[in-house]
Amino acid sequence: SQELEQSPQSLIVQEGKNLTINCTSSKTLYGLYWYKQKYGEGLIFLMMLQKGGEEKSHEKITAKLDEKKQQSSLHITASQPSHAGIYLCGADNGNKLVFGAGTILRVKS
Amino acid sequence: DAGITQSPRYKITETGRQVTLMCHQTWSHSYMFWYRQDLGHGLRLIYYSAAADITDKGEVPDGYVVSRSKTENFPLTLESATRSQTSVYFCASSGAGSGPQHFGDGTRLSIL
Repeated sequence: SQELEQSPQSLIVQEGKNLTINCTSSKTLYGLYWYKQKYGEGLIFLMMLQKGGEEKSHEKITAKLDEKKQQSSLHITASQPSHAGIYLCGADNGNKLVFGAGTILRVKS
Repeated sequence: DAGITQSPRYKITETGRQVTLMCHQTWSHSYMFWYRQDLGHGLRLIYYSAAADITDKGEVPDGYVVSRSKTENFPLTLESATRSQTSVYFCASSGAGSGPQHFGDGTRLSIL
């Protein structure tokens, strides 16, 4: 079965700094999804990547899919306190998604 | 507003009791999913449904029962709750099996 490994498990960054979260799959990625979760709330869909080399941006968040490496990265530029939360990657697995364990992001102001 | 709603948001019950978590979506999405989220395990799929009257097991289905008589509703029942089922439960829906899923706000369930 497909497994997704996220790194780091958690990180603390100073407001204004850039950061990157990685998601590595044990199998070929056909569709990769990034979600954000605030404590006590549901997951909010951020972006979907489907093609190798694809890159998408939303505000200050950019995600890339490296199909050959079976990996995706999420990059946040000039982090803000509003970026704090848990970031999860999910991958297409038949008629459903499999998720990584998540990366906890804290932003110090 | 259109969306996906879960009820109750919080529930405390005792071992051996039956408890049902409700999920309702207004998008007429074909697919609906139930997950549990636990520290150290991330999100794990319990059951999913491709359409009304079609359900399939996910990764951790033991101890749970689902039904889907209407497209918009997908209740999850714990027939005899155990402490190991204490968790946060999320319902999600999507228009297709592969594709972004949209999540409810979750039900925090504590079993004493």
